[in-house]
Amino acid sequence: DSGVTQTPKHLITATGQRVTLRCSPRSGDLSVYWYQQSLDQGLQFLIQYYNGEERAKGNILERFSAQQFPDLHSELNLSSLELGDSALYFCASSSWGNNEQFFGPGTRLTVL
Amino acid sequence: DAKTTQPNSMESNEEEPVHLPCNHSTISGTDYIHWYRQLPSQGPEYVIHGLTSNVNNRMASLAIAEDRKSSTLILHRATLRDAAVYYCILTNNNAGNMLTFGGGTRLMVKP
Repeated sequence: DSGVTQTPKHLITATGQRVTLRCSPRSGDLSVYWYQQSLDQGLQFLIQYYNGEERAKGNILERFSAQQFPDLHSELNLSSLELGDSALYFCASSSWGNNEQFFGPGTRLTVL
Repeated sequence: DAKTTQPNSMESNEEEPVHLPCNHSTISGTDYIHWYRQLPSQGPEYVIHGLTSNVNNRMASLAIAEDRKSSTLILHRATLRDAAVYYCILTNNNAGNMLTFGGGTRLMVKP
């Protein structure tokens, strides 16, 4: 158990819909990272937040957005969903100056 | 971004040592070398990391070449539980420490 929690575990929705994935980092970790894992693209970094502020952006679509709240939990919002958005979405957390990232169990999103 | 090159797959026998190679010829002086692994149906898991010197922890050892253009992850006694995809990744503190995953090496462990 990494200490990072993600909800929900599974999500099935239709094209065009909007969903929100939630992540609670390990206690004390200020950094949160979001990654997407799909069969054709592999594991890709989406976005990083540090103590509520966006720190780095990767291959995140404009239809996707994220935020980190004062209690440090983070949410990833995916809108206008397409079939190709079906993937595993992982959240990871780390403490400042620590190179190790702890990953959650992931949310499996299926867009029908 | 500096890239890494790893074999697609490797096979090992249970209880034997495993050496997983990684090439990173364009590594910069401030890049750390990280290894993560992903067991089936799980999120990635940190294994080890280093900068210049060899490193040991309870999971594995990391041997870094003197010119830092390659490294080797060493599992001293492979178990069936070590069957996973192993990713060698370069990170840079100045770039936010995000992980850029390549294809990794799928390690198969035979009983």
